[in-house]
Amino acid sequence: DVVMSQSPLSLAVTLGQPASISCRSSHSLVYTDGDTYLNWFHQRPGQSPRRLIYKVSNRDSGVPDRFSGSGSGTDFTLKISRVEAEDVGVYYCMHSIKWPWTFGQGTKVEIK
Amino acid sequence: EVQLLESGGGLVQPGVSLRLSCAASGFTFSTYGMSWVRQAPGKGLEWVALFHDDNDRHYSESVLGRFAISRDNSKNMVYLQMNNLRGDDTAIYYCVKARGDSWGQGTLVTVSS
Repeated sequence: DVVMSQSPLSLAVTLGQPASISCRSSHSLVYTDGDTYLNWFHQRPGQSPRRLIYKVSNRDSGVPDRFSGSGSGTDFTLKISRVEAEDVGVYYCMHSIKWPWTFGQGTKVEIK
Repeated sequence: EVQLLESGGGLVQPGVSLRLSCAASGFTFSTYGMSWVRQAPGKGLEWVALFHDDNDRHYSESVLGRFAISRDNSKNMVYLQMNNLRGDDTAIYYCVKARGDSWGQGTLVTVSS
């Protein structure tokens, strides 16, 4: 199985400041079609997860442009340029290159 | 607007069966893979079952042989038949479209005697 490892596991950020979450996979996430199947999700307390980013760097519809994804191969990063109060919650990276699709452990983001 | 509405959760005893349902709307259902993802209380996410087509279904190791995913394209429904339930199956079960672009609100399954 592909193991997804996130860091840090928790993050306290001042409003308006940037935040960055790292995700590392145990295998390359580049598929035979050339695409890299790495997604980022955000789950607010008490809510369902919501996908923010797909294929490393593509924002889903309605996702603010303060969120950006980058990386390649096995190393990926989610960045929030200026954290807002609504960004609290847990962020998960997830791969869908081969079964089983797996998530990282999650990174809990809170406001300082 | 994509909508996924799960139902069928509840409190059950170990060893019994339960079937979850998910009603989908707002997209061309038959053209997308559908999945079930679960989240145990206070824990992370686990992709439990994936249905691409009749010949392409996948299950996590933890449910293989006990759970079965199916779908009815004529009704825009996806199901999860859960047999021989165990305490560690206690979780919120989410219905998920494709590679996670849409999620339902979840249905809670509690397995306890």
